[in-house]
Amino acid sequence: NAGVTQTPKFQVLKTGQSMTLQCAQDMNHEYMSWYRQDPGMGLRLIHYSVGAGITDQGEVPNGYNVSRSTTEDFPLRLLSAAPSQTSVYFCASRRGQGIAGNTIYFGEGSWLTVV
Amino acid sequence: AQSVTQLDSHVSVSEGTPVLLRCNYSSSYSPSLFWYVQHPNKGLQLLLKYTSAATLVKGINGFEAEFKKSETSFHLTKPSAHMSDAAEYFCVVKNRDDKIIFGKGTRLHILP
Repeated sequence: NAGVTQTPKFQVLKTGQSMTLQCAQDMNHEYMSWYRQDPGMGLRLIHYSVGAGITDQGEVPNGYNVSRSTTEDFPLRLLSAAPSQTSVYFCASRRGQGIAGNTIYFGEGSWLTVV
Repeated sequence: AQSVTQLDSHVSVSEGTPVLLRCNYSSSYSPSLFWYVQHPNKGLQLLLKYTSAATLVKGINGFEAEFKKSETSFHLTKPSAHMSDAAEYFCVVKNRDDKIIFGKGTRLHILP
């Protein structure tokens, strides 16, 4: 059981370049989300999706796009990378809304450096 | 508004001594509460969760946490620290509206 799979694990980008972080889950979870983790700030929500075809903004959406064409996949696109987007990115998934205590499953993380 | 406060950004304990990582929350409803652990360069792994059943929750690797509604706390404890417990720990709250809030994390250092 693969769980949540993120690629790539490490990436260095030049300012202005674009790239896509891939995320896939095999648990048939409705809810998927992207977080970024920065020192001393915990995890902050970038974008999330409650099901295929539905996405919404989180706390820090600027500079990122997402789409959810299938239940399994939830890619995160950086449109024009900036040094402020240097961070560790985590994809997460869980069962649908309204289920008390449903566990959030995380990918292994993607370390992104923008130079 | 809901919030999660992890009271210590760093905690250092000697191997074999007890661990206490503190978490306070504010919530309008009875929340679900979680503790996650993150080892260096790894993703987050669930340690334990509270979902309005027993107030004392046992998790993996000997960790446990007690939900105290009167104190709005969900502190994480372990009787005897092991070197492998060195990691960052996150307290997480989820309300009935499904919004999830992460604490800023506590880094646990284990001294030999």
